[in-house]
Amino acid sequence: QKEVEQNSGPLSVPEGAIASLNCTYSDRGSQSFFWYRQYSGKSPELIMSIYSNGDKEDGRFTAQLNKASQYVSLLIRDSQPSDSATYLCAVNDYGGSQGNLIFGKGTKLSVKP
Amino acid sequence: GAGVSQSPRYKVAKRGQDVALRCDPISGHVSLFWYQQALGQGPEFLTYFQNEAQLDKSGLPSDRFFAERPEGSVSTLKIQRTQQEDSAVYLCASSPRIYGNEQYFGPGTRLTVT
Repeated sequence: QKEVEQNSGPLSVPEGAIASLNCTYSDRGSQSFFWYRQYSGKSPELIMSIYSNGDKEDGRFTAQLNKASQYVSLLIRDSQPSDSATYLCAVNDYGGSQGNLIFGKGTKLSVKP
Repeated sequence: GAGVSQSPRYKVAKRGQDVALRCDPISGHVSLFWYQQALGQGPEFLTYFQNEAQLDKSGLPSDRFFAERPEGSVSTLKIQRTQQEDSAVYLCASSPRIYGNEQYFGPGTRLTVT
């Protein structure tokens, strides 16, 4: 059973701080990794994708991938109350279908003003 | 441009009724996925279409679930003889690529079976 694990939280950080969200995955053959943000009652919104080891930055977001450790993380700099949401880590299951995503349960982030 | 749309947004069905959920993907997107999301969980894969071909239906929980995409655009997920355990949010996602890398989700249909 291919799994994606996330700490469910809640993770609480003060406004302006760095929020660090972590994810591990079980399938060593996984190649594509994604972070989705999901506000309460809304659908997942793609915020970052990463395909190779190292860091990828996009604005206040940085995704980090370490395939040897099967570990993906998302850093949010200068956190804002509007960043309060559940963050879903997803891994592309090439071994199964033509690329359905396997999701973690999500980490709930709360940014306090 | 227009994103993925789904209808209805909310559906209440009595146990035993049949329901049909519609997904309009982003125009030109080859790949279409259906996921089921229970409260407090991440989305779980149900089925995948590449254009009109249903290439994977391994996630469908029972033979009461059926999906189609006859013209390679709009897709319908049908659930026959609904049960209470079918209550969930049903999400549709589309991707411009065959291997469905970056997937874009619609707003979902919240199904409640009473």
